[in-house]
Amino acid sequence: EVQLVESGGGLVQPGGSLRLSCAASGFTFSSYSINWVRQAPGKGLEWVSYISSSSSTIYYADSVKGRFTISRDNAKNSLFLQMNSLRAEDTAVYYCARLNGLNFDYWGQGTLVTVSS
Amino acid sequence: QSALTQPRSVSGSPGQSVTISCTGTSSDVGSYNYVSWYQQHPGKAPKLMIYDVTKRPSGVPDRFSGSKSGNTASLTISGLQAEDEADYYCCSYAGSYTWVFGGGTKLTVL
Repeated sequence: EVQLVESGGGLVQPGGSLRLSCAASGFTFSSYSINWVRQAPGKGLEWVSYISSSSSTIYYADSVKGRFTISRDNAKNSLFLQMNSLRAEDTAVYYCARLNGLNFDYWGQGTLVTVSS
Repeated sequence: QSALTQPRSVSGSPGQSVTISCTGTSSDVGSYNYVSWYQQHPGKAPKLMIYDVTKRPSGVPDRFSGSKSGNTASLTISGLQAEDEADYYCCSYAGSYTWVFGGGTKLTVL
């Protein structure tokens, strides 16, 4: 069974940093590209970042470019999102989502990040 | 990129059909046959319902169908059931490994 489990969310002050993790199981992690997608409270989904299976290709949404860094450790079946210079508008549930073709076929349960003083 | 445009809400009675539209641009929906639809129940993760415009993942009822014309994609749910009540989001590939989502549509089963 494919499983994605996010962790690392919490309360952080504006300007602060946080590192999210996503632990994968039930599939060959190193064969799939993975993405981060977020959802602000009561709002819609927003694509955040993409990383290819080998980490050779990485993309970010304009809203997080220069502040967020996506990475992965295929040996540990793990995905990460380093978030710096956090803003109130970064408050959201952050999901990791597996890419199959060009569609997100499996999602984690999400981890909540709250940016507030 | 700007979010795709979806109606805020739609409703239908059990057994009826409803269609949710998703309007993008020639840079996303109009350029790629990679539109997907996600169902999200309150407090839950999104679930893939339709991919590549018209395809259904294994386990998704055939009551769910997708289509596309020009810059607008559509999700049709026929034979509405109570458990279909949820938020639905469309998503389109926008090139260069970027994606854009719609604002979401709340489906109410009357």
